[in-house]
Amino acid sequence: EIVLTQSPGTLSLSPGERATLSCRASQSVTSSYLAWYQQKPGQAPRLLIYAAASRAAGIPDRFSGSGSGTDFTLTISRLEPEDFAMYYCHQYGSPPRTFGQGTKVEIK
Amino acid sequence: EVQLVESGGGLVQPGGSLRLSCAASGFTFSNYWMYWVRQTPGKGLVWVSRINSDGTDTHLADSVKGRFTMSRDNAKNTLYLQMDSLRAEDTALYYCARSRAVGTYDALDIWGQGTMVTVSS
Repeated sequence: EIVLTQSPGTLSLSPGERATLSCRASQSVTSSYLAWYQQKPGQAPRLLIYAAASRAAGIPDRFSGSGSGTDFTLTISRLEPEDFAMYYCHQYGSPPRTFGQGTKVEIK
Repeated sequence: EVQLVESGGGLVQPGGSLRLSCAASGFTFSNYWMYWVRQTPGKGLVWVSRINSDGTDTHLADSVKGRFTMSRDNAKNTLYLQMDSLRAEDTALYYCARSRAVGTYDALDIWGQGTMVTVSS
C-alpha cells in the first residue's frame, strides 16, 4: 500500500499569503493519479485537484497542483478567508487507494 | 443538483449489523463507479470499498473483507453497504462518493454528508 505523508502538519498564514502544501508518496504514484481535497469542519471533503494538476469543476484558479512520481504540491496563490481548512492528498492509481493524514491551514 | 445522501448509521453492539444506504440524484447513477470512504479522528480518511457501474465487480479493503458487502440498485439510484460482525474499530463517519470519470476509477468528485456508525456495548 502506498503511504502518503503530508507536510507540514499545520501551516499558519495570513489572508493574501501563498500556501505551499507537500505530499510525499512511499512509492511512485501511477500515472500521477493524485488528488487534493479540502475539508471544513462538519463538511465532506471537496475535490480540488485531480491527476496531480487538473482543477476540478468550479475550483478557483488560485488553487494549483504540481508534481509527479513521489512528490506532489498543492499551492494556493493568495489565501482567501474561506481557504482556511484541512487539506488531504489522495492517490487512486494503485489499490488500495490511500489518503494522507492532512495539513491544516490556519489563520495566523 | 448532483447529490448523494447517506442513511442507516447508528449505534450498534459489537458483532451486530447495519446496512448503510446512499441515495443518488441529479446524475445518471448507473454510469459511475461508486465508493465508500470512512473517517475517524485517529486514522483520517480510509477507503472502504468500491463497486463498478453495473454492480458486477466489487473490491473491499482487507480490514472489512468477509464482513462488509457493497452493492447497488441502479433502478433505485441507490448504493448500499451491508456491515456485519461489526467491531469497535469500525466506528467512523461513513461517506459514499462518486468517481469523477464515467465508467472507470478516478478521483472522488461528489461526496455525501456522511452517516455516523458507532460500535459500542
